[in-house]
Amino acid sequence: RKEVEQDPGPFNVPEGATVAFNCTYSNSASQSFFWYRQDCRKEPKLLMSVYSSGNEDGRFTAQLNRASQYISLLIRDSKLSDSATYLCVVNENSNSGYALNFGKGTSLLVTP
Amino acid sequence: DVKVTQSSRYLVKRTGEKVFLECVQDMDHENMFWYRQDPGLGLRLIYFSYDVKMKEKGDIPEGYSVSREKKERFSLILESASTNQTSMYLCASSWVGGAKDTQYFGPGTRLTVL
Repeated sequence: RKEVEQDPGPFNVPEGATVAFNCTYSNSASQSFFWYRQDCRKEPKLLMSVYSSGNEDGRFTAQLNRASQYISLLIRDSKLSDSATYLCVVNENSNSGYALNFGKGTSLLVTP
Repeated sequence: DVKVTQSSRYLVKRTGEKVFLECVQDMDHENMFWYRQDPGLGLRLIYFSYDVKMKEKGDIPEGYSVSREKKERFSLILESASTNQTSMYLCASSWVGGAKDTQYFGPGTRLTVL
């Protein structure tokens, strides 16, 4: 399968900072896009879907640029509880099923 | 709330043993998936199933098989466990396609093969 690339980090930021993660994907036929969050020793959980027009959920903003095959996640006013690994996920909508392609994740540590 | 459960949180097996990992979802999802997650390698898809008795190979199916006899249950089988199969195994499920293709994960099974 084609690649989903993320900067692994770690990103160490102070509380209250704004931090941005980027992700690139190589399959131009990709259909849908997501950010998942994974806490240490826990399962991944959906943080938000990413829409072409961009979307916001509280302190989190996701952007999609189909021309550049690029997805971003912006976290404003970081909290200690935002510390986690953030996974960029792309649905390539392959003919044989609906399997998501996961990036390896970007690690975020928010410090007091 | 969607619930995906896995039969064990931690499992220790010996080389050559046959290992069964079970996953059950309660949301009538068509699709079910098995991944393994290793440090530095991320999530890798082993097998998935889009219907009862149907299965598709993922990226790393070698050494694994699966069974889906009922819609809610998807089993991963290690026919003869080896040390390189020590890993975190995650099951997931989803509806079919479109905006409903979000995957919901179980809590994972940390398997150690000695």
